[in-house]
Amino acid sequence: AQSVTQPDIHITVSEGASLELRCNYSYGATPYLFWYVQSPGQGLQLLLKYFSGDTLVQGIKGFEAEFKRSQSSFNLRKPSVHWSDAAEYFCAVGAESSASKIIFGSGTRLSIRP
Amino acid sequence: DGGITQSPKYLFRKEGQNVTLSCEQNLNHDAMYWYRQDPGQGLRLIYYSQIVNDFQKGDIAEGYSVSREKKESFPLTVTSAQKNPTAFYLCASSKPGQSYSDTQYFGPGTRLTVL
Repeated sequence: AQSVTQPDIHITVSEGASLELRCNYSYGATPYLFWYVQSPGQGLQLLLKYFSGDTLVQGIKGFEAEFKRSQSSFNLRKPSVHWSDAAEYFCAVGAESSASKIIFGSGTRLSIRP
Repeated sequence: DGGITQSPKYLFRKEGQNVTLSCEQNLNHDAMYWYRQDPGQGLRLIYYSQIVNDFQKGDIAEGYSVSREKKESFPLTVTSAQKNPTAFYLCASSKPGQSYSDTQYFGPGTRLTVL
């Protein structure tokens, strides 16, 4: 069965600094990988996804993520954060055999220091 | 505009009452899902439905019920058997079976509070 781990519960970075949020997954075959963002009291918005092909994936709002099979990781990055990026970020993993069902990590809360 | 709507945004329930949360989508998606989110936790799957008139239990289905009579609608009933129903409930939909289409799209959520 697939699983996903987000090791950082809460991260604080300064506005304008770079950001990397960690995500590790467990799955035997090639996974489907997603990053979602959630503002307080709102639903989840898809930032980016990886199904196959180029391992560096570009998303919305200037985010990117890199799939590293050897490390079972799919870390989210942004070169320069803005105060509006403060939110909760969820990594998720799906499987081709049960593509309708995806497993979410517990989330990383991002705070931005002025 | 296509999207997913959930209503109400806030819902208060007395203990012992059943309540129904609405979820509607006009994305022409076949699959729909209900998740529960508690503070500091990820999303946990309650029920999902891949086609009309069919649905499956997720990881935490006890105390909940659903129906899928129309493609566009997937209401969730929180019954009195659910011991701790206070949470944020999220509905999602997807169109499985097509490349790059298994992505789930989410509604804005309903916050249920038991008084």
